[in-house]
Amino acid sequence: GENVEQHPSTLSVQEGDSAVIKCTYSDSASNYFPWYKQELGKRPQLIIDIRSNVGEKKDQRIAVTLNKTAKHFSLHITETQPEDSAVYFCAALRDQAGTALIFGKGTTLSVSS
Amino acid sequence: EPEVTQTPSHQVTQMGQEVILRCVPISNHLYFYWYRQILGQKVEFLVSFYNNEISEKSEIFDDQFSVERPDGSNFTLKIRSTKLEDSAMYFCASQGPIEKLFFGSGTQLSVL
Repeated sequence: GENVEQHPSTLSVQEGDSAVIKCTYSDSASNYFPWYKQELGKRPQLIIDIRSNVGEKKDQRIAVTLNKTAKHFSLHITETQPEDSAVYFCAALRDQAGTALIFGKGTTLSVSS
Repeated sequence: EPEVTQTPSHQVTQMGQEVILRCVPISNHLYFYWYRQILGQKVEFLVSFYNNEISEKSEIFDDQFSVERPDGSNFTLKIRSTKLEDSAMYFCASQGPIEKLFFGSGTQLSVL
């Protein structure tokens, strides 16, 4: 089955700096890669996703890149703000409805002002 | 915006008791999931459900667990005889015709 590795487990940055979180996946059949943000005590919220026919996707301060050959994908947050502080999870899914979305272990991002 | 709703938000139970966690998925979604998250750990897949049957389940989803869609709206997770290690946040999720999963707000289960 799919295995998703995520690092770092914790990341501390100063406000305004960039943050990068990296994930690798094992199943070459996976072709959908979402990123979720989870604030303390709350549900995971989808912040951005990318499909395997795309190499990069941007949404304001957030971008995701995908290297299918190397089976890794990354989340980039620019101009970080204190409200970006949360746990971020990457995930991978095979293109087959009803199959499991498998999560990485999460990265706790702390942005200090 | 439509949401996945879960009840109760908190459930406290004694070890060995049965619990039923309830979810109302987004109305036009067809695929339903249960995930759990032990405090401070990652979100773990339990089971997926489509067309009134389980389509995939993880090793965690043993004989103590069952899922059901008793009517057109509710989706339930039953734990037959709870153990201390079942204490976790349980998230329901639903998925429409595209891959995006939407999570409910979770049920915090505490087994004493």
